Amino acid sequence: AQTVTQSQPEMSVQEAETVTLSCTYDTSESNYYLFWYKQPPSRQMILVIRQEAYKQQNATENRFSVNFQKAAKSFSLKISDSQLGDTAMYFCAFMKHYGQNFVFGPGTRLSVLP
Amino acid sequence: GAGVSQTPSNKVTEKGKYVELRCDPISGHTALYWYRQSLGQGPEFLIYFQGTGAADDSGLPNDRFFAVRPEGSVSTLKIQRTERGDSAVYLCASRKNSMGDSPLHFGNGTRLTVT
Repeated sequence: AQTVTQSQPEMSVQEAETVTLSCTYDTSESNYYLFWYKQPPSRQMILVIRQEAYKQQNATENRFSVNFQKAAKSFSLKISDSQLGDTAMYFCAFMKHYGQNFVFGPGTRLSVLP
Repeated sequence: GAGVSQTPSNKVTEKGKYVELRCDPISGHTALYWYRQSLGQGPEFLIYFQGTGAADDSGLPNDRFFAVRPEGSVSTLKIQRTERGDSAVYLCASRKNSMGDSPLHFGNGTRLTVT
């Protein structure tokens, strides 16, 4: 079974600075998908960014980018120019290429400080 | 609709009672998921529907939990003889299709409190 680990329960960053959230996963699959979701206090999970394992190029969405290291099974999220609205729980998720079940990590609580 | 809708947003019930939680997915989304999220934890998979049928119900914790999606759209999660340990936020999500990169779109969840 796949597992997803997020080793940082809580992090904080000053507004406008850069922060990196860590995620590692365990799988025997060669092709799969990875996602980062954000959950603000409103409770709704929002997709931040996604990465296909067979693509070597790291995904980027505006201020959000990932560092995908397939051999190390690592998928970190970098948030540049942090904004107060980035304060939220961040969850890393894994899905097998031919699977349907998304497996989530335990989350990292990020606080952006003014 | 514009997004995944879950009702009620909050539900308080007494131990031993029966509850139903409703999920209305994004129009046209064929796949529907239920997750449970306890305080401070990540979502835990319960069940997945493709169309009307439950394609994977391996996450349902026991036979007190049941879910249906009779017309391939709205789904209802049913919990019988509720226990205090069932208290959690129940999240529903839908996907446009079963293609690998099709992301989950979540509702705001239903917070269930069993007293």
